[in-house]
Amino acid sequence: GAGVSQSPSNKVTEKGKDVELRCDPISGHTALYWYRQSLGQGLEFLIYFQGNSAPDKSGLPSDRFSAERTGGSVSTLTIQRTQQEDSAVYLCASSVVGGSGGDYGYTFGSGTRLTVV
Amino acid sequence: EDQVTQSPEALRLQEGESSSLNCSYTVSGLRGLFWYRQDPGKGPEFLFTLYSAGEEKEKERLKATLTKKESFLHITAPKPEDSATYLCALIQGAQKLVFGQGTRLTINP
Repeated sequence: GAGVSQSPSNKVTEKGKDVELRCDPISGHTALYWYRQSLGQGLEFLIYFQGNSAPDKSGLPSDRFSAERTGGSVSTLTIQRTQQEDSAVYLCASSVVGGSGGDYGYTFGSGTRLTVV
Repeated sequence: EDQVTQSPEALRLQEGESSSLNCSYTVSGLRGLFWYRQDPGKGPEFLFTLYSAGEEKEKERLKATLTKKESFLHITAPKPEDSATYLCALIQGAQKLVFGQGTRLTINP
């Protein structure tokens, strides 16, 4: 597609349940990022995938969070045993170059708004 | 610790009234400062990358400038469609962006 696609756009889940968030990056973009945006907070880095390299997982807040990227394309962010503090907008981005995105920057999706009740 | 502080938090302007948004930063070795625009319910949209003090970049009514301590986003003769939250960010490590809290800009017709 023309942009980064994320699904679902909204997710309401009960505390303790597992959730999966999906990201379809722009075709040909080798770099994929997940960020989290909480109310009143800035964007927070979660994880970075670049080609076949080991992902940078340094931003994952706890071991309840995991992510994978299959075939260098689609990525899934999984949150196990969700807590209320996990409520946020989860944003996926891709870039034609890695790292900071350089002069091209990142292309973000519209995000998944997760509400844990 | 790398830090990004944006001011003001919110700014209301009349259409055509030019102004500037500020992004102050502290970093050990600047390798890039980024500006993004975010509309409600959308992900951020990339605007500019600046690499060194003295650099300037322009796009339509927007011009971004960089000094050793700050970056400014100048908005000339803004229109209502320029209303959005403007975010600046630094690169930390190889691929982690550290974002400021943003400036919420409203342009009244």
